[in-house]
Amino acid sequence: VHLVQSGAELKKPGASVRVSCKASGYTFTGYYMHWIRQAPGQGLEWMGCMSPKSGATDYALRFRGRVSMTSDTSVSTVYMELSSLQSDDTAVYYCARGGGPYSSANTWGQGTLVTVSS
Amino acid sequence: EIVLAQSPGTLSLSPGERATLSCRASQSVSSNYLAWYQQKPGQAPRLLIYDASTRATGIPDRFSGSGSGTDFTLTISRLEAEDFAVYYCQQYVRSPNTFGQGTKLDI
Repeated sequence: VHLVQSGAELKKPGASVRVSCKASGYTFTGYYMHWIRQAPGQGLEWMGCMSPKSGATDYALRFRGRVSMTSDTSVSTVYMELSSLQSDDTAVYYCARGGGPYSSANTWGQGTLVTVSS
Repeated sequence: EIVLAQSPGTLSLSPGERATLSCRASQSVSSNYLAWYQQKPGQAPRLLIYDASTRATGIPDRFSGSGSGTDFTLTISRLEAEDFAVYYCQQYVRSPNTFGQGTKLDI
């Protein structure tokens, strides 16, 4: 089981970023994908999750209206788009596979650093 | 949302010693839907324990989890050099799936 994320991004304040997470080694539609971020030197923050099978999503309240999680089953890839970026969105963003919307995450991507700076 | 408070913030021990890490929830975590992760610098977190006490695949038996309700514990019976890292607890009984702030295990 592997999750491979897209590369580092540098964005200006107000812009949007899309991070991809390509899955392999398991039935893509059989598991939820969670997104967790980690600001420099800080702890882990759960952003939300989605089902690639149904398209159902659950976003943390603080990101609603600003985050979108989608998937393309033809390429076993999940996407997380975050808009209206500010400097405090600078973080490493991880995708992680879970058994459901309320589950632990047993496989993680390598992380994608998103830097927001003018 | 359920807030998780981990203690201590930093734990300084030596190889061979026993480590006890605590995670306290602001509300009951029913069904023991609590996990523990280990994170080393520059790496993604690794799942150690789920459902409060079940070791994830490939995790050595020196790691054990216990607890229920609002109080949970991760115990490392005999520390090895590779165990010095940051440890996070996570509840997944209710959205949002929150994490504790972490405990740093120092040599």
